Amino acid sequence: QVQLQESGPGLVKPSETLSLTCTVSGGSISSYYWSWIRQPPGKGLEWIGYIYYSGSTNYNPSLKSRVTISVDTSKNQFSLKLSSVTAADTAVYYCARTSWVLSGPRYYYMDVWGKGTTVTVSS
Amino acid sequence: AIWMTQSPSLLSASTGDRVTISCRMSQGISSYLAWYQQKPGKAPELLIYAASTLQSGVPSRFSGSGSGTDFTLTISCLQSEDFATYYCQQYYSFPWTFGQGTKVEIK
Repeated sequence: QVQLQESGPGLVKPSETLSLTCTVSGGSISSYYWSWIRQPPGKGLEWIGYIYYSGSTNYNPSLKSRVTISVDTSKNQFSLKLSSVTAADTAVYYCARTSWVLSGPRYYYMDVWGKGTTVTVSS
Repeated sequence: AIWMTQSPSLLSASTGDRVTISCRMSQGISSYLAWYQQKPGKAPELLIYAASTLQSGVPSRFSGSGSGTDFTLTISCLQSEDFATYYCQQYYSFPWTFGQGTKVEIK
């Protein structure tokens, strides 16, 4: 079955750019949306944004000025870049496949998640 | 953005109990709602989508209901493996948002 794996540095300095990659295995990255979600320590979930396999994106306005999500279909990967990070960006970052109901209204859902990777912003 | 109020934030229950978690929206979202379960140190797992459709492989003791602004997740007979935190998420409009979470703990 499809599995997702996040990778990237676990420690990023303030003002620098956080870069993470999610590798999709056991299936194709095509024909789905792919999301990034984060969870600060002890807090709830925040949707960061998604990318369609064709490259179209949608970002959370709260992060839009600092976020870039890209896709590399040849590698079956998609990536997150978050610039000008501060301690408030310290979180577990998850990637997730976003599917939708095929008939009728487009009800979305995140049905496959990576295990998450912890990113700490500190000097 | 759509605001979501999930209640209660903490629920103490015993194995075998029937538990209900509420998620209320600041505006109507039809049935564009999903429910997730998260255990400590683990990624969330999808339980229900389209407000009431059970994800494949999820036990039938989980059910979802509601439409518009008021939604409910029900666990009919709480099992030991169900002690976790539950989140609702709306997909009606951007940005997609999650509820604050409900922690179900052992009474």
